[in-house]
Amino acid sequence: QKEVEQDPGPLSVPEGAIVSLNCTYSNSAFQYFMWYRQYSRKGPELLMYTYSSGNKEDGRFTAQVDKSSKYISLFIRDSQPSDSATYLCAPSDDYKLSFGAGTTVTVRA
Amino acid sequence: GAGVSQSPRYKVAKRGQDVALRCDPISGHVSLFWYQQALGQGPEFLTYFQNEAQLDKSGLPSDRFFAERPEGSVSTLKIQRTQQEDSAVYLCASSSRASGNTGELFFGEGSRLTVL
Repeated sequence: QKEVEQDPGPLSVPEGAIVSLNCTYSNSAFQYFMWYRQYSRKGPELLMYTYSSGNKEDGRFTAQVDKSSKYISLFIRDSQPSDSATYLCAPSDDYKLSFGAGTTVTVRA
Repeated sequence: GAGVSQSPRYKVAKRGQDVALRCDPISGHVSLFWYQQALGQGPEFLTYFQNEAQLDKSGLPSDRFFAERPEGSVSTLKIQRTQQEDSAVYLCASSSRASGNTGELFFGEGSRLTVL
């Protein structure tokens, strides 16, 4: 079993919809939780960074971490076609990121 | 440069050939990472440098893989006697932080290796 499991997708949603992305993990030592966005044939870029449990909001993006259930979520409100990409959860306990397999999202105009 | 630069962007190798992939991190970044991303998968950790010191090479899949960063800036990932299972995108990332959680990693666009 992988250390990080991510809902496989793909997801296709209409413009303006809320996108919900989820991961579970097994390593209780994880305390840093990142979401990266990866466009086709590009490197991942950091979208959200959260330390420990709780919620963090940045514009249309909200990251949630529940360490008691080892569950990570990312919500995208008012989705735009430019949000079409692969989203990777990446928890960490130090310098090493453990990426999920990614969920590919397509936002239809 | 403004970002992490990797070369070559695309490499086709015949099985058994040696390849070398180069990474130019963001100037002044202390930490440098190599990740391997297979098709449809998330990146997998290969190795970590802090300046010129290779502090963690636990993710290198076999002794055919070798990485170096001799002067603490440019890094090279070398794969000897390539096999088909080595086909993947090799991502380099750098960070300005030196210890603990390295925070935001800045990734290059990757080197896509295809082994025939």
